[in-house]
Amino acid sequence: EVQLVESGGGLVQPGGSLRLSCAASGFTFSSYSMNWVRQPPGKGLEWVSYIDSSTSAIYYADSVKGRFTISRDNAKNSLYLQMNSLRDDDTAVYYCARGWEYSGYVNDNWGQGTLITVSS
Amino acid sequence: DIVMTQSPDSLAVSLGERATINCKSSQSVLYNSNNKNYLAWYQQNPGQPPKLLIYWASTRESGVPDRFSGSGSGTDFTLTISSLQAEDVAVYYCQHYYSTPPTFGQGTRLEI
Repeated sequence: EVQLVESGGGLVQPGGSLRLSCAASGFTFSSYSMNWVRQPPGKGLEWVSYIDSSTSAIYYADSVKGRFTISRDNAKNSLYLQMNSLRDDDTAVYYCARGWEYSGYVNDNWGQGTLITVSS
Repeated sequence: DIVMTQSPDSLAVSLGERATINCKSSQSVLYNSNNKNYLAWYQQNPGQPPKLLIYWASTRESGVPDRFSGSGSGTDFTLTISSLQAEDVAVYYCQHYYSTPPTFGQGTRLEI
């Protein structure tokens, strides 16, 4: 069974930093691309970032480019999101999601999410 | 960026009745080279992460009941639930994966 478990969420002040982790199990992590998708409270879904299986392709939403860094450690079956210069509008549930084998932007398995609250 | 617009924003349907949700993209998501529409649908039940329902605009993900169907091509797409069940109460999102960034519709809340 595919499992994705996010951690690292919490309350952070504007301008602060946070690192999210996603522990993957139940599949060959090194063979799949991964995404971070976020959802502000009571609002819709926003794609944040993509990383392919070998880290050769990385993409970001314009809203986080230059502030967030996606990475992965295939030996540890883990995905990460380093979030710097956080702003109020970064407040959201952040989901780790597995990319579909035919198109990495389609997410066929999702974690339960971790809440990031940016507030002073 | 491709803008995805869903209609309606919310919908109330009786149990056993048909529900129809529309999704329109600001530009075509049909790749002529393979004749595939790069459009997916997700279901998000209350308090849960999204779940993939349909990809290539009309192909159901494994395990998705056949009362869910997707149709459309180019810029206009539809998700249909043929006979609404109680567990179908959720927010439904369309998403294109034609280009970067992939974008979602604003969501349609389906109620009984």
